[in-house]
Amino acid sequence: AQTVTQSQPEMSVQEAETVTLSCTYDTSESDYYLFWYKQPPSRQMILVIRQEAYKQQNATENRFSVNFQKAAKSFSLKISDSQLGDAAMYFCAYRSRWFADGLTFGKGTHLIIQP
Amino acid sequence: GAGVSQSPRYKVAKRGQDVALRCDPISGHVSLFWYQQALGQGPEFLTYFQNEAQLDKSGLPSDRFFAERPEGSVSTLKIQRTQQEDSAVYLCASSPLRADDTQYFGPGTRLTVL
Repeated sequence: AQTVTQSQPEMSVQEAETVTLSCTYDTSESDYYLFWYKQPPSRQMILVIRQEAYKQQNATENRFSVNFQKAAKSFSLKISDSQLGDAAMYFCAYRSRWFADGLTFGKGTHLIIQP
Repeated sequence: GAGVSQSPRYKVAKRGQDVALRCDPISGHVSLFWYQQALGQGPEFLTYFQNEAQLDKSGLPSDRFFAERPEGSVSTLKIQRTQQEDSAVYLCASSPLRADDTQYFGPGTRLTVL
């Protein structure tokens, strides 16, 4: 079974600074997807960024980028120019490419933005 | 277009009552997932539908939990004889074509069992 570990229960960053959220995962599969979701207090899970394991290039979406290290099974999220609206729970998630399973989530990191 | 919607947003039940939680996926989405999110935890997979077929129910915690999607659109998660440990947020997600497409989540239903 796959597992996803987020070792930082809480992170704090000054507005406009950069912060990196860590995620490691364990799998025996070679092809899969990785995701970062944001969950504000409204509870709506919002997709931040997605990475296909077969792609070497790290995914980026505006101020959000990932550092995907397949051999190390690491998938960190970097948020540049942090904004107050970035405050939320952030969940790392794994999904097999070939098996019709749901997402496997980590326990989340609570991101606080200091004005 | 409209996103995934869930109703009710909040549900309070007395222990032993049956509850039904509804999910309206994005129109045309083939795949539908249910997750359970306990307080302070990440969501955990419950079950998955492709159209009306329930292809995976391995995450359902007990036989008190039942899900259906009879016409391949709206889905209902039913919990019979609720217990306090069922208190959680229940999230529904849908994806366009295959199970490996990106999943889009609804706002969830917070269930509190007294």
